[in-house]
Amino acid sequence: GAGVSQSPRYKVAKRGQDVALRCDPISGHVSLFWYQQALGQGPEFLTYFQNEAQLDKSGLPSDRFFAERPEGSVSTLKIQRTQQEDSAVYLCASSLVGGSNQPQHFGDGTRLSIL
Amino acid sequence: AQRVTQPEKLLSVFKGAPVELKCNYSYSGSPELFWYVQYSRQRLQLLLRHISRESIKGFTADLNKGETSFHLKKPFAQEEDSAMYYCALQRGSGGSNYKLTFGKGTLLTVNP
Repeated sequence: GAGVSQSPRYKVAKRGQDVALRCDPISGHVSLFWYQQALGQGPEFLTYFQNEAQLDKSGLPSDRFFAERPEGSVSTLKIQRTQQEDSAVYLCASSLVGGSNQPQHFGDGTRLSIL
Repeated sequence: AQRVTQPEKLLSVFKGAPVELKCNYSYSGSPELFWYVQYSRQRLQLLLRHISRESIKGFTADLNKGETSFHLKKPFAQEEDSAMYYCALQRGSGGSNYKLTFGKGTLLTVNP
């Protein structure tokens, strides 16, 4: 399929460990988004890329969170020194271009559990 | 800042009954509104958006700017409609008009 692909699907880490989550957007999609979805909540915006440029990182909860998209395609969300409150589903979405009214296509997400 | 409220966490109806999932928003400008759906063990997917004014799988939603609402309706619910439904908002223009603001979702169960 040509949808957004995320890996791993599940990640368990001990508190204090670093984790890296990968997102492979739909080919040709310029815009890429990361969202965090806590249990019982809707997705919340973390960060936005247009090609390789990170245009908005206002939703990142702390400086332990870092995202990159060096070649304008695959993106990695890294969380350093994980804490229990980082446990959530991390969703990646892509759209053809940025701006309003552009449908965002979501991946299956990575379910992160911090012990 | 914008906010989306879905007052019902759970909604249960019988097959063939009408269903309405409520969504209210707060935003001072002109918003773009969406409904996303997540079926069991599937990814989040776009159901419909207000600007298209279309009916998808029998669902419709009308943007009511006076009441700041975007309720999702279907006259005759089907069992396959059982899913989690999220209402989402984007700014219509201006800065940050790319990010989606989601409600907390409503879990719809259609009983046989």
